[in-house]
Amino acid sequence: AQTVTQSQPEMSVQEAETVTLSCTYDTSESNYYLFWYKQPPSRQMILVIRQEAYKQQNATENRFSVNFQKAAKSFSLKISDSQLGDTAMYFCAFMKHEGGNTPLVFGKGTRLSVIA
Amino acid sequence: EPEVTQTPSHQVTQMGQEVILRCVPISNHLYFYWYRQILGQKVEFLVSFYNNEISEKSEIFDDQFSVERPDGSNFTLKIRSTKLEDSAMYFCASSEIRTSGGVNEQFFGPGTRLTVL
Repeated sequence: AQTVTQSQPEMSVQEAETVTLSCTYDTSESNYYLFWYKQPPSRQMILVIRQEAYKQQNATENRFSVNFQKAAKSFSLKISDSQLGDTAMYFCAFMKHEGGNTPLVFGKGTRLSVIA
Repeated sequence: EPEVTQTPSHQVTQMGQEVILRCVPISNHLYFYWYRQILGQKVEFLVSFYNNEISEKSEIFDDQFSVERPDGSNFTLKIRSTKLEDSAMYFCASSEIRTSGGVNEQFFGPGTRLTVL
């Protein structure tokens, strides 16, 4: 079975600064996907960024980037130039590579507060 | 932009009562999911549904739970006889079917908070 661990329950960052959220996972699968989801207060979860395990290049989406270390089973999220709208709960998630519609396995989440 | 919607946003029920949580997936999506999050715990997968049948379910999804797509738009989760430990946030998600491989993004609803007294 796969497990996802987010060791930082809460973090805060000053506006315009950079913050890194940690995520580690455990799996015996060789091919899989990793995701970061964002859940703003009272809003639905939205996908921030995804990484395919067979791709060595780290994914980047505008101010969001990941540091994917497959051997270490680590998948951290870096948010650059933090904005007040980045305040949210962030979930790291794992998906097996089987047909593209398998269940997500989530971590417990990190609550990020961006301070003006 | 199309969204997954869920009703009600908050449901309070007495232990032993039946509840039905409703979801309207994105209209061209064919794969549907239910997840739940007990307060302070991880978001956990319950069940996935495709082509009018359960595709996969977790060990949490026991005989007390059932899912249904009663018409062309709704997707429901029924809990037959609620227990205190069923109190949680329940999230519905949907995804499309991609035939060319790769992963299909799951789009989540805002959740229904279920409180069992």
